[in-house]
Amino acid sequence: DAKTTQPNSMESNEEEPVHLPCNHSTISGTDYIHWYRQLPSQGPEYVIHGLTSNVNNRMASLAIAEDRKSSTLILHRATLRDAAVYYCILRAPLLHNQGGKLIFGQGTELSVKP
Amino acid sequence: GAVVSQHPSRVICKSGTSVKIECRSLDFQATTMFWYRQFPKQSLMLMATSNEGSKATYEQGVEKDKFLINHASLTLSTLTVTSAHPEDSSFYICSALGYEQFFGPGTRLTVL
Repeated sequence: DAKTTQPNSMESNEEEPVHLPCNHSTISGTDYIHWYRQLPSQGPEYVIHGLTSNVNNRMASLAIAEDRKSSTLILHRATLRDAAVYYCILRAPLLHNQGGKLIFGQGTELSVKP
Repeated sequence: GAVVSQHPSRVICKSGTSVKIECRSLDFQATTMFWYRQFPKQSLMLMATSNEGSKATYEQGVEKDKFLINHASLTLSTLTVTSAHPEDSSFYICSALGYEQFFGPGTRLTVL
């Protein structure tokens, strides 16, 4: 499985933007980049995903490097409720025999200060 | 996003008993569901992939006879921890594959 590397932890101030980096230098041409987050004692929550182009949704933005070897999850204005562990995961296409599987790394624990 | 439920949310049992955990996709049909386990301060570990109408595919190192998975319908998968022991105490999380993978809220299992 293609691996990702994320910082163990990051801190942010409330109302400020947060940039969460992820390195995935062994990404294959068909792997999608997915981000999930997990609040304490809850199941993970889907945040965003992309393949090559930058993506925006109501929760966050995903900036993907041109060579696809890294990506950055952007929370535009952090709130206290954004404090969670953020996971960057590479996922094979659904039609692939490993498609749909998510292999979680250690993620980045984001803390948000009021 | 789609909703996935798990039942029970927490369970305490005696060593040697079996425990069944249900995972339901409430507003979509899921041919494929996944089961994960998470120990404190650790990441999620994929245990198995559950496909409706066929046998589950277990990840390396996961005992299929201990963790029985049944995916009898497009909205329900069950995980049974057989002859549970204290080392099986963990947070068990399921997910259902729709247009994305949607996760349940988890089940906290404590084996005394």
